Amino acid sequence: GESVGLHLPTLSVQEGDNSIINCAYSNSASDYFIWYKQESGKGPQFIIDIRSNMDKRQGQRVTVLLNKTVKHLSLQIAATQPGDSAVYFCANPAGGSYIPTFGRGTSLIVHP
Amino acid sequence: DTGVSQNPRHKITKRGQNVTFRCDPISEHNRLYWYRQTLGQGPEFLTYFQNEAQLEKSRLLSDRFSAERPKGSFSTLEIQRTEQGDSAMYLCASSSLLMGQLTEAFFGQGTRLTVV
Repeated sequence: GESVGLHLPTLSVQEGDNSIINCAYSNSASDYFIWYKQESGKGPQFIIDIRSNMDKRQGQRVTVLLNKTVKHLSLQIAATQPGDSAVYFCANPAGGSYIPTFGRGTSLIVHP
Repeated sequence: DTGVSQNPRHKITKRGQNVTFRCDPISEHNRLYWYRQTLGQGPEFLTYFQNEAQLEKSRLLSDRFSAERPKGSFSTLEIQRTEQGDSAMYLCASSSLLMGQLTEAFFGQGTRLTVV
């Protein structure tokens, strides 16, 4: 069935390093992907999205890469800061109803 | 504030009581979603509305749960006869589906429900 999963539950990095968070999906027909950041006690916050007609999209300090061949996407955060510490989710609007579906998330821990 | 607004932010209730949560979406969005999130998990889909029509409900949405969006604007989620297992964060999100293309969903800050 359709699923969106995260490779690692926790990622620890040093402040200033680049972070890469990975996500796999199973539905080859998926055409839209969204990355969210969720801080403790808050709702998910939109970071960046990408549609399947692109393989790369850049935002402020973030880049999303989409590899449709292996059904994988990644979120790269440049010069990671302590404020980037949060749980990151990839979401994939699934099925004909286009309902965003989430995996468990990756907890990013940034050490000063 | 033009984001998604949820009220209350926190709710503590006794088992067996009814609770109602409200969500005010971004005004131009025609889609409204409800999710539930427990500790260490991603948001789980409960139901969604396209304008005022409730188009899909998850198996997670038991008979004790009901959601409405009477005028296609704000929505309410009611849980009747609450159980301790209902304790979770209830998240609302809104987006638009226009000409077959979905825009990103923006989330509210959630309502944290604790059933004691």
